[in-house]
Amino acid sequence: GENVEQHPSTLSVQEGDSAVIKCTYSDSASNYFPWYKQELGKRPQLIIDIRSNVGEKKDQRIAVTLNKTAKHFSLHITETQPEDSAVYFCAAPLSGGYNKLIFGAGTRLAVHP
Amino acid sequence: ETGVTQTPRHLVMGMTNKKSLKCEQHLGHNAMYWYKQSAKKPLELMFVYSLEERVENNSVPSRFSPECPNSSHLFLHLHTLQPEDSALYLCASSQERGTGFGEQFFGPGTRLTVL
Repeated sequence: GENVEQHPSTLSVQEGDSAVIKCTYSDSASNYFPWYKQELGKRPQLIIDIRSNVGEKKDQRIAVTLNKTAKHFSLHITETQPEDSAVYFCAAPLSGGYNKLIFGAGTRLAVHP
Repeated sequence: ETGVTQTPRHLVMGMTNKKSLKCEQHLGHNAMYWYKQSAKKPLELMFVYSLEERVENNSVPSRFSPECPNSSHLFLHLHTLQPEDSALYLCASSQERGTGFGEQFFGPGTRLTVL
């Protein structure tokens, strides 16, 4: 069946360091890969997404890279700040359209001052 | 109210109770979703409604029954639940586009505890 694997499950960094979270997916037809951030006690919110016609997308300190051949995509956060501490979820489409997504298990990022 | 709202925010129920969760989106979207979030499966899709028609039920037990009376409202009717159904239930909405995926906007969730 379709699957999205996310690693690591927890990540601890010092403020100012970079953080990288990686996801692999199984459906080679997948064409949309969003990343959601969920702060403690709050709802998930989209922070960045990438479509399969590009290999990289940046938004200030956040970037996502996509390797379609290897079927993996990664979230890169540079110059991390304590407010980046949250759980991050990657997702990929389930077949059948209608904006159905399958989410990874999440990465709990802790940024220490 | 703006965005996606959910009521109640917290619910405690016994296994024999019947209750309903409500979701409302104020974004003019045409698709709505129910997700279950628990420690075991962080974000698990339960139901999808597109243009008020259910298009996915994702093998959810029949003790969960969704209802979408119009494009702005979504309900999840609960009956004869089990303790393992205790979780955060998140509603989301998006604008379906023929050109591809639209961003999903989540509500704050209902924290359900089944005793």
